[in-house]
Amino acid sequence: EDQVTQSPEALRLQEGESSSLNCSYTVSGLRGLFWYRQDPGKGPEFLFTLYSAGEEKEKERLKATLTKKESFLHITAPKPEDSATYLCAVRGGYQKVTFGTGTKLQVIP
Amino acid sequence: ETGVTQSPTHLIKTRGQQVTLRCSSQSGHNTVSWYQQALGQGPQFIFQYYREEENGRGNFPPRFSGLQFPNYSSELNVNALELDDSALYLCASSGRATEAFFGQGTRLTVV
Repeated sequence: EDQVTQSPEALRLQEGESSSLNCSYTVSGLRGLFWYRQDPGKGPEFLFTLYSAGEEKEKERLKATLTKKESFLHITAPKPEDSATYLCAVRGGYQKVTFGTGTKLQVIP
Repeated sequence: ETGVTQSPTHLIKTRGQQVTLRCSSQSGHNTVSWYQQALGQGPQFIFQYYREEENGRGNFPPRFSGLQFPNYSSELNVNALELDDSALYLCASSGRATEAFFGQGTRLTVV
């Protein structure tokens, strides 16, 4: 069965303090690894899709990378508005999408 | 804004009742998927519809069923509601690319 494990569960950073979030996965036939951001009470907001090991994507202060077993979301010089829960998900066979439980990020001014 | 809209935003039902949740997909998207998200958890995949046919399903019992209409909007039906069905129900739509765009969700409370 496909599995996604995210760490840490929660992360508290000072504004400007860079860090990385981890997503470890096992999936039969990876058809995409996704990163989303979710604010309380709202639907997830799409950030990135990665398809193969070695792939990297960037958007503003965020950079996502992918290996055969894990993905990292690097946050450079975060701001308070980056505070949210970051979700990782994989799409495997039969179109099934499996999400992790997320990393709750708090950025303190 | 993603262009994916869900209704209603909040709903309270009694155990044993049936509920229908609705989703309008983003323009140009022909695939809709539904998720259940309990408090503090990641979304759990319920099923996916592509061009009106179910083409993927998670580990949910048959009392969770769905429909997709010719305009690609969708419904999620849940029969015989249980207390554990209380959650945020999310709809997501996607097109030729695999990434999905989510609506704001329907908060269902079963009492």
